[in-house]
This record gives sequence, structure tokens and C-alpha cells, in this order.
Amino acid sequence: DGGITQSPKYLFRKEGQNVTLSCEQNLNHDAMYWYRQDPGQGLRLIYYSQIVNDFQKGDIAEGYSVSREKKESFPLTVTSAQKNPTAFYLCASSNPIRWDGRNEKLLFGSGTQLSVL
Amino acid sequence: SQQGEEDPQALSIQEGENATMNCSYKTSINNLQWYRQNSGRGLVHLILIRSNEREKHSGRLRVTLDTSKKSSSLLITASRAADTASYFCATTGGTSYGKLTFGQGTILTVHP
Repeated sequence: DGGITQSPKYLFRKEGQNVTLSCEQNLNHDAMYWYRQDPGQGLRLIYYSQIVNDFQKGDIAEGYSVSREKKESFPLTVTSAQKNPTAFYLCASSNPIRWDGRNEKLLFGSGTQLSVL
Repeated sequence: SQQGEEDPQALSIQEGENATMNCSYKTSINNLQWYRQNSGRGLVHLILIRSNEREKHSGRLRVTLDTSKKSSSLLITASRAADTASYFCATTGGTSYGKLTFGQGTILTVHP
């Protein structure tokens, strides 16, 4: 079955540590996204990638980094510069990309809960 | 920035009743989507309505869009306890090329 896999489900970060959240999809989707969700809040876009080897900052990119070396994978690194990393992180993908700006639905992974020790 | 504002923030109803959630947005859009999220899980796409559409149905779901008022509503008819979840609207528009902007969501509780 095709889908999006996020791992781990729970992650703990120590002070000054970088941690990487994994997101893999086998849907052959071009676009992938990382969102952050704080308790009782909506989703805020961290980074997105429309094609391999290219990615763009979202609304809250500071303290985060990504790579898109393969179509299937879009890992998110939460760096030590992110001072308030505790949140629920959601990865999503979509296809096809409509270059007129229209976008079809996003498919989401099951999320990673990141907490600070 | 959060484009969508949802109303109410929380809604509590009895099984069998209808649930209506509203979403307002600020800028022009290409489409508006509704998603559902069960606690601690990812979001699931429910329905998409394009800017040139006014109403759309999918099973027990009915979505309306009023671009002149920059608002949308989601109606769930004959609600069930299993409909208990958070519901989010999301918009895409302009040159955003696939970026969705989400509202803060409505928490729906359906009591058996």
C-alpha cells in the first residue's frame, strides 16, 4: 500500500542537540511539506519542496533545515537554534503539482511528537 | 501566517444532530479544502471546493463557499460519535504553488 511514513513517533531532544525527523513516501509524489502543530492550534508551514534538490522556506523556517536528495525522502532537522521545538510535526505530500497555482489534496503522515528533555 | 479563522473553536452535539463549522479567510484563493484530524494523528482530506464552485457534497458532508464574503462552511449531517475530531479548513491561492494555509480548527465532540 502506498503512503507516507514518519519516524519516530516520539522523539526527545536534549539541550543543544540537533535531531532529525524522517519522512518517506512511496506515492511518487513530486511535492512534500513539513508542518508544525502546537497544542490546540492549526498547522504552520516550515519547509516545502516541489521537486528533488529544491526546497523553499515556509512561514516558520528559522531553526529548521531540510534536504531533498531523493524524491521519496524529505527529512527535517530541528537544530539547536530552534529554542521552542516541542510540538507535533507533520509531513505531507501531494501530486500532481499544477503550475497554475492550483493544488490537489495533501496526504499526511501520522506525525512525530518532539519534546525537550 | 494563519489565513483561515474557524468558528466555533469547539462544538458539542448529540449523535444524530447536524454539525456546522465555519471558516473565513483573508486573501483570494484557488481552492479551499477541509481536513479532519483525530487526536494525535495526521490529517485526512475530506473535500475540496474550487473558487468557481459554490457548493459541494460528499456523503454526509456539504461544503459551501462564498468568495464575496471570503467564507466557507462545512456541514456534517446526522453526526455519529465517530465524527468526533478536529476539523480544519485550508486554502491555497495566488502564487503559493501548492502551499496550504490552515485555520486553527474546530474541535467537534459528538456524544452518543
